Amino acid sequence: GAVVSQHPSRVICKSGTSVKIECRSLDFQATTMFWYRQFPKQSLMLMATSNEGSKATYEQGVEKDKFLINHASLTLSTLTVTSAHPEDSSFYICSAAWGHNQPQHFGDGTRLSIL
Amino acid sequence: AQSVTQPDIHITVSEGASLELRCNYSYGATPYLFWYVQSPGQGLQLLLKYFSGDTLVQGIKGFEAEFKRSQSSFNLRKPSVHWSDAAEYFCAVGALSFGNEKLTFGTGTRLTIIP
Repeated sequence: GAVVSQHPSRVICKSGTSVKIECRSLDFQATTMFWYRQFPKQSLMLMATSNEGSKATYEQGVEKDKFLINHASLTLSTLTVTSAHPEDSSFYICSAAWGHNQPQHFGDGTRLSIL
Repeated sequence: AQSVTQPDIHITVSEGASLELRCNYSYGATPYLFWYVQSPGQGLQLLLKYFSGDTLVQGIKGFEAEFKRSQSSFNLRKPSVHWSDAAEYFCAVGALSFGNEKLTFGTGTRLTIIP
């Protein structure tokens, strides 16, 4: 149980393109979803937290106009990287939790490469 | 603010040998503590968690961890490692923030298994 699906697993696109990443909880309703960014050989850095039906809460230093997050339902959250540039290339991982005192369950990540 | 330190960047052990991965945390209240494992190019899988109660926590794949408040530690152990345990291991501390539990990750320990 507690499966989180993330799609696509890999994206390669040109600079200036906007890229949408989907995160779905397949067998539970996720009240909260989280988006992380991971640079090579580094730890995960939380970008934002989203609750279903409300605006995402962004961490300090994360541009909300650059990284658009939508959490329209209890099973789906999307991260859109707008006008992506090479410095946005990274590994993006989502996670989902179904309530307080519940651990986060992670997707398999999306490798984003901007040329 | 909470923080997590994993002092060992890389550990190499022989297959069948015992393993201990160190984790120290800093948090003002009783922490929620987690160990996750990440295989290359993939998301994170929860190994075990500590919320309260028994300080020795059993997880999946034969792993266990012990919470020691006096040492602010949550070390991960396994009595006999298998080649499939080679991966990156992350310790994390959870804290409530605006009603959501945010995770702060350590920098990870890369585990290499030699035959």
